Amino acid sequence: RKEVEQDPGPFNVPEGATVAFNCTYSNSASQSFFWYRQDCRKEPKLLMSVYSSGNEDGRFTAQLNRASQYISLLIRDSKLSDSATYLCVVNTISGNQFYFGTGTSLTVIP
Amino acid sequence: DAGITQSPRHKVTETGTPVTLRCHQTENHRYMYWYRQDPGHGLRLIHYSYGVKDTDKGEVSDGYSVSRSKTEDFLLTLESATSSQTSVYFCAISGQLAGGSYEQYFGPGTRLTVT
Repeated sequence: RKEVEQDPGPFNVPEGATVAFNCTYSNSASQSFFWYRQDCRKEPKLLMSVYSSGNEDGRFTAQLNRASQYISLLIRDSKLSDSATYLCVVNTISGNQFYFGTGTSLTVIP
Repeated sequence: DAGITQSPRHKVTETGTPVTLRCHQTENHRYMYWYRQDPGHGLRLIHYSYGVKDTDKGEVSDGYSVSRSKTEDFLLTLESATSSQTSVYFCAISGQLAGGSYEQYFGPGTRLTVT
């Protein structure tokens, strides 16, 4: 079983739409959770950390459900510039290793 | 942006030749990582380092070796390159935040083609 699983999409949404991505992780001892964004032929970049109480950064909201081992990312009022692949990432303290989902592709259409 | 550079950024090499990729950081972070990224597989850990001369294998370490003689440099070597090692290679570093958790930052990547 993979450490982190996410729906690969693709998600094609119109500008202004709200879109949600989900992710599950298998290791209940996981400590930290993140969403990264990766543009085509570029490196992954940290979008936001995910906190137990949920957190918001502008149009982006991340939530964590430890009981269900589930992480989500909500993007409101989608912009063309949001088109990218979004990676769900989980960190375990043991060895300080990071586990990546395969990514969810988002295309925002004019 | 975190201070991470990779060299070379692009390389084409022939099967059977040795190849070394370099990762350099200016953040003085303890942890450094090498990943490869291939379509359908996402990012897969090759090796990582938790200090100078301290390294460990990741999930796809066969055919690769690493060395870390200084905090700022982490080298990935393909002893005898094969076509299956054609990929994009990312170096990453990990630093501890004030709350005790870690975040990871990536270099720009190296595109390696083995012919």
